[in-house]
Parts: sequence; structure tokens; C-alpha cells
Amino acid sequence: QKEVEQNSGPLSVPEGAIASLNCTYSDRGSQSFFWYRQYSGKSPELIMFIYSNGDKEDGRFTAQLNKASQYVSLLIRDSQPSDSATYLCAVNQAGTALIFGKGTTLSVSS
Amino acid sequence: EAQVTQNPRYLITVTGKKLTVTCSQNMNHEYMSWYRQDPGLGLRQIYYSMNVEVTDKGDVPEGYKVSRKEKRNFPLILESPSPNQTSLYFCASSWRISGTVPSPAFFGQGTRLTVV
Repeated sequence: QKEVEQNSGPLSVPEGAIASLNCTYSDRGSQSFFWYRQYSGKSPELIMFIYSNGDKEDGRFTAQLNKASQYVSLLIRDSQPSDSATYLCAVNQAGTALIFGKGTTLSVSS
Repeated sequence: EAQVTQNPRYLITVTGKKLTVTCSQNMNHEYMSWYRQDPGLGLRQIYYSMNVEVTDKGDVPEGYKVSRKEKRNFPLILESPSPNQTSLYFCASSWRISGTVPSPAFFGQGTRLTVV
């Protein structure tokens, strides 16, 4: 059974701090890794994807991938109250469907 | 505008009354799928389709049917809905999943279904 694990949270950080969201996956053959943000009652929205080991930065967001440790993370710098949402990690292997984690709820307090 | 469109957005129905939730995408994506999302259980895949006339079961297919007669449309059919199918449903589409090209899923707005 291929699994994607995330801490459910809630993860609480003050405004302006760095939020660190973590995800582990069980399938060593996984090739692509995605982070989605989902506001309550809304559809998931793609934030970033990464498929090479190392860091990938996009504005305030940085995705980090370590395939040897089967670990992917999302850092949010200068967290804002509008970042409060559930963050979903998803992985897939070529030719297979996306597998989602259950999500981590982030709360940013002003 | 590139989008995945689901209808209806909200639906309340009674047990046993057949219903269809439509999904349409305008991005020429080959891969489409349906998910349900329940508190504490995350997104669970119901059915997916790799291309026209090609469909397969996901993790929770019981009680659901799908069809893919056209590339853009992927309706979800509940022949005899039951209260345990009360959930938030999402349709998603993506490019053909092959090679090492990332293939993120783009989601519709969601359909909140209540079966009483």
C-alpha cells in the first residue's frame, strides 16, 4: 500500500514566522511531488511541485526534497494569516495516480 | 480560462434516487479522476480515467459509476445513493501521466452532496 504521511496539526505559528510542513512517502519509485493548499470547503490549489533532490523556491514558498530519506517539506517564510489553510502533500510515479496525504492544518495568528 | 467545471455545487437528495454529478475540463487533459473528501480521511480516489473509454477503480469505488465517452467530460453516477455517500466530491484532471514530467492535478470547485 503506497502511503503519504503528514502530521495533521494544527501547526500554529505567529505572523511573520517560518512555517515548516513535512511529508513522508512510502513508495521509493515516486518521481513527482506536489504541495496543494486547501481553504475550508474549497478545492485544492497547486502551490508547488518538485521532482529533483534539493530545494525549489517560489516567492515565500520553498519545497525541499530528499529522495533517500523519502521526505518532502514545504517552508513558508513570512507567514501571513491568509496562509491559514490545510496543506496537502501528493506524490506520484510515472503512469500512476496521485496519492494524497491527509493534510496538515496551518494556523497563522496575527 | 483553463478550468475544471463541476455541477451541481450543492445537492441534497434522498436515499435511492439516482443522481449524476458532471465534470468538464477545457485543457485537453487525458487523465481525469474523482475524489471524495471526508473529515479525518483526506482525499480518496473513487475512479479515474486515463483516456476516452478507459476507466478504472480507485480506492473507494463501491456505489459509484463513471463513464468517459468524450475527452472533456467525466460524469460521476450514483445509481442508488445512500447516506454514507454524503461527502464533498472533487473532479480533477491532468496531462497524460507518463515519463518524468510532473503532472499536477487541477481540481474542480467541488460538489457538496447530502443524502438523507
